[in-house]
Amino acid sequence: GAVVSQHPSWVICKSGTSVKIECRSLDFQATTMFWYRQFPKQSLMLMATSNEGSKATYEQGVEKDKFLINHASLTLSTLTVTSAHPEDSSFYICSANRGQIESEQFFGPGTRLTVL
Amino acid sequence: AQSVSQHNHHVILSEAASLELGCNYSYGGTVNLFWYVQYPGQHLQLLLKYFSGDPLVKGIKGFEAEFIKSKFSFNLRKPSVQWSDTAEYFCAVNEPTDKLIFGTGTRLQVFP
Repeated sequence: GAVVSQHPSWVICKSGTSVKIECRSLDFQATTMFWYRQFPKQSLMLMATSNEGSKATYEQGVEKDKFLINHASLTLSTLTVTSAHPEDSSFYICSANRGQIESEQFFGPGTRLTVL
Repeated sequence: AQSVSQHNHHVILSEAASLELGCNYSYGGTVNLFWYVQYPGQHLQLLLKYFSGDPLVKGIKGFEAEFIKSKFSFNLRKPSVQWSDTAEYFCAVNEPTDKLIFGTGTRLQVFP
């Protein structure tokens, strides 16, 4: 149990376009979902935390108008990179946890975004 | 602010060698501690976790970690590594707000 999926696994887009990435908890309801960004050979940096039905909480330095997060249900969160630029190229990873008591996060496989 | 330090950025070992990866965190309160592994081309997987109780935690694939509160450390160990352990290893600390703070990672290469 506790499987998290992401779609797409990779995407290439032109500069100026928007890209939507989906994160789904397949076999559990996720009270909270997290979005991370990982640069090559670097660690995961938390971008934002989202709870179902409420606005996401963004980390300092993350543009909320650039990275739109929607957490419409307990099993789905989406990250939309708006007006993407080459510097947005990165590996985006989502995670989810099952409840307030259990702090363990379950990670998705990630989405590789390349902006040309 | 909370920070997590992993001192070893790149470790190269031969099979059957012993492994110890360092992890130190800065938060002085109650924390949950994790080690994650990322095999080449795969997603993050949990190796082991510490929430409370016995400070020596055993995880999957023969890994263990010891929580030493006085040293703010949570080092990962394995007595005998295998080629299949080649991966990136991340230490992480969970703040009370649930936010996971990751270390910079340690790249482990094991040669047959």
